[in-house]
Amino acid sequence: GQNIDQPTEMTATEGAIVQINCTYQTSGFNGLFWYQQHAGEAPTFLSYNVLDGLEEKGRFSSFLSRSKGYSYLLLKELQMKDSASYLCAVSPHNTDKLIFGTGTRLQVFP
Amino acid sequence: DSGVTQTPKHLITATGQRVTLRCSPRSGDLSVYWYQQSLDQGLQFLIQYYNGEERAKGNILERFSAQQFPDLHSELNLSSLELGDSALYFCASSVGAGGGSYTEAFFGQGTRLTVV
Repeated sequence: GQNIDQPTEMTATEGAIVQINCTYQTSGFNGLFWYQQHAGEAPTFLSYNVLDGLEEKGRFSSFLSRSKGYSYLLLKELQMKDSASYLCAVSPHNTDKLIFGTGTRLQVFP
Repeated sequence: DSGVTQTPKHLITATGQRVTLRCSPRSGDLSVYWYQQSLDQGLQFLIQYYNGEERAKGNILERFSAQQFPDLHSELNLSSLELGDSALYFCASSVGAGGGSYTEAFFGQGTRLTVV
């Protein structure tokens, strides 16, 4: 089975950098995904990691260490609109489904 | 706009009733996934269909069922509804073939079900 852990809530200041961690335990997986979800809205795709290392995409970067079962999402130059929940998800081996963590609610203050 | 369409957006119904939620995937996507999101829980995977066939099953109750039609739209049927079934129900679609290759899932705006 899969077990995904991430902090429940985080706060940060506009313009700052925040790192949201995700640890997972899984018997095998295809890759790790990060989604952003504003309250009451659909999750939207942010990043995908299958190999160890850092994937950079504008203000957002995601890191994966498969040996440690660890990932993080790094958000730079925070903006008020970044206030949202950030969902870590794994795709189990030989499937396309996503198993989500409970999400980290990020609040960005002026 | 993700290209995934869900109807209705809101649904209020009484306990014991039966409802049907509908999802139209993005053009070209063969896989449809259903997820449930309750207030105190994350997104819970319910079921996946690929090109009309059930491909994967998650924590879906026996009172719930789904199907994918030849035109690839999908319906999620929820019966004998209970208060605890109140949640956001999301549909997602991807080109995925179940083989585990990378396939980004695009989510619809969800159906908010309230059981009273």
